Amino acid sequence: AQRVTQPEKLLSVFKGAPVELKCNYSYSGSPELFWYVQYSRQRLQLLLRHISRESIKGFTADLNKGETSFHLKKPFAQEEDSAMYYCALSSGNTPLVFGKGTRLSVIA
Amino acid sequence: NAGVTQTPKFQVLKTGQSMTLQCAQDMNHNSMYWYRQDPGMGLRLIYYSASEGTTDKGEVPNGYNVSRLNKREFSLRLESAAPSQTSVYFCASTRDTSSYEQYFGPGTRLTVT
Repeated sequence: AQRVTQPEKLLSVFKGAPVELKCNYSYSGSPELFWYVQYSRQRLQLLLRHISRESIKGFTADLNKGETSFHLKKPFAQEEDSAMYYCALSSGNTPLVFGKGTRLSVIA
Repeated sequence: NAGVTQTPKFQVLKTGQSMTLQCAQDMNHNSMYWYRQDPGMGLRLIYYSASEGTTDKGEVPNGYNVSRLNKREFSLRLESAAPSQTSVYFCASTRDTSSYEQYFGPGTRLTVT
């Protein structure tokens, strides 16, 4: 069965500090991993996907198949990064499986 | 384009009452989804429709029914609301089930007393 685990419900960091939001997954095949973000009063939206290996709003995430992880990182947190972050896994022709989410709070 | 729209935005029900949450998308997507979002539980899939004319259960389907009215619209019905169904409900759509980018609606905040 596919599973996505985000161990932290809440993560608080100071502005300018590095951020790492953890995501681990369980899937026997070749997964596609994604990060979705929900800012206050906004819709949930795609932040980035592992295949593109891009940096969005300063965030990056690397798929580590050995550790079955897809942690989201940013070197210097900004107040506008405060949001709910969801890690998600795609296994083909089935709906995305989401983790339980981590609320990031960046303190000024 | 409005993207994914949901009605109503807010609703308060008494235990045992019924209601239907409406969702529509104007992106010509084939697949549509209903999720509920609860604190500490994240997003849980209730039902989805891979294509017009098909519906399938997700992780938490009990107490809900769905109808894929046409390609654009996907409704969620609570026949006899219970306090445990107090939640924020999100509708989403994708081009098809193999597409990773889900487009979400603004959500419906439902309170059952």
